[in-house]
Amino acid sequence: DIQMTQSPSSLSASVGDRVTITCRASQNIGNYLNWYQQRPGKAPKFLMYAASKLQSGVPSRFSGSGSGTDFTLTISSLQPEDFATYYCQQNHSGLVTFGQGTKVEIK
Amino acid sequence: QLQLQESGPGLVKPSETLSLSCSVSNGSMSSSTHYWAWIRQPPGKGLEWIGNIYYSGSTYYNPSLKSRVTISVDTSKNQFSLRLNSVTAADTAVYYCARHAPSSQHRGLFYFDYWGQGTLVTVSS
Repeated sequence: DIQMTQSPSSLSASVGDRVTITCRASQNIGNYLNWYQQRPGKAPKFLMYAASKLQSGVPSRFSGSGSGTDFTLTISSLQPEDFATYYCQQNHSGLVTFGQGTKVEIK
Repeated sequence: QLQLQESGPGLVKPSETLSLSCSVSNGSMSSSTHYWAWIRQPPGKGLEWIGNIYYSGSTYYNPSLKSRVTISVDTSKNQFSLRLNSVTAADTAVYYCARHAPSSQHRGLFYFDYWGQGTLVTVSS
């Protein structure tokens, strides 16, 4: 099975800050990496696919990069609605795994 | 737009079987490209994929749950279901159903683009 490891597990930041979250796969997954945002008490929201492609309607302050085993999600200027938990996810050979999540909290 | 809604008991006794259904509206499950998935989230913890089903009935399961899980589909009712047997307190979680859609540009890449609101299932006597 492919394991996904996110870092950090949590971070504190202020509105306007640039935030970067890292996701590492236990083996090469090319660019087959998706990102989700989950606000408290809500279902996850699909943000990005293929490591860097924004889902329709997602603000351009979100960006992604990486391939192979190392990926990043960046929020260029943190907004109040961005305080949430973010998950990376891969699918390989029909099996799906999520990272453990990164919680972005208000400083 | 597509909507998914989970339903089922909120309380299950240990050793019994957890059964949930997901109703899909504003869209047909009989797509030749989409899968339909169950994902769960224990309180305060991360997301865990349980398994996927295709409209034809073919399935993929999380290896860690495979021995206890059955996912089935009823396209005539536009719904799919989850059964998890021999439950313990560790199975207490919010259970989500979701659509697992393929990328049109990246063959083999799938993502969960529509989610239900989730339903909390507590395992307790």
